[in-house]
Amino acid sequence: DQQVKQNSPSLSVQEGRISILNCDYTNSMFDYFLWYKKYPAEGPTFLISISSIKDKNEDGRFTVFLNKSAKHLSLHIVPSQPGDSAVYFCAAQGGRGGSNYKLTFGKGTLLTVNP
Amino acid sequence: ETGVTQTPRHLVMGMTNKKSLKCEQHLGHNAMYWYKQSAKKPLELMFVYSLEERVENNSVPSRFSPECPNSSHLFLHLHTLQPEDSALYLCASSHITGGGHSPLHFGNGTRLTVT
Repeated sequence: DQQVKQNSPSLSVQEGRISILNCDYTNSMFDYFLWYKKYPAEGPTFLISISSIKDKNEDGRFTVFLNKSAKHLSLHIVPSQPGDSAVYFCAAQGGRGGSNYKLTFGKGTLLTVNP
Repeated sequence: ETGVTQTPRHLVMGMTNKKSLKCEQHLGHNAMYWYKQSAKKPLELMFVYSLEERVENNSVPSRFSPECPNSSHLFLHLHTLQPEDSALYLCASSHITGGGHSPLHFGNGTRLTVT
């Protein structure tokens, strides 16, 4: 049973436009959420995170929004750049037993930013 | 020197071979992890070590044997693997604190092919 879901396997946007990547989760015990970016032949790189006590966190061009009632989070990238083309993973921490170190990942969304 | 270093980057082994994957972290973290990434699947947690003690074994077959001699090094010993074990094996580290959360930092992985 997948506790973190990224329902869009891929997304294509034009350079300069906004990219919106979505993620849904089912475990209401999750209390910390992260986004990772992965280029081919490299490991995932931490991008941005948000605690469940917040509904928004911003870092430069990247903003993560959390809607706890809907168990939904999204990553906004604006403006999108060709170098943002990568696989983006949503991940969550917390859960049964309140383990604050385990990460549960989604399957990822491949973002392609076209020049 | 990158934060988390994994060797080798690629490994091809037969089903009767014994090999080991190595991971080293230079971030001063106190926890280390092995994750497995198979095609079309989310990253799956295999093992967690905190302060050199195994705190999580995620129902991994005994043909995978982890070893954590100190807080900076982590090994994954492989023996009598199956072709379905072919995957990208990712090492990660983090700093586990009493109540807070911290992101995991990943290495670039070992691409394992079992023939």
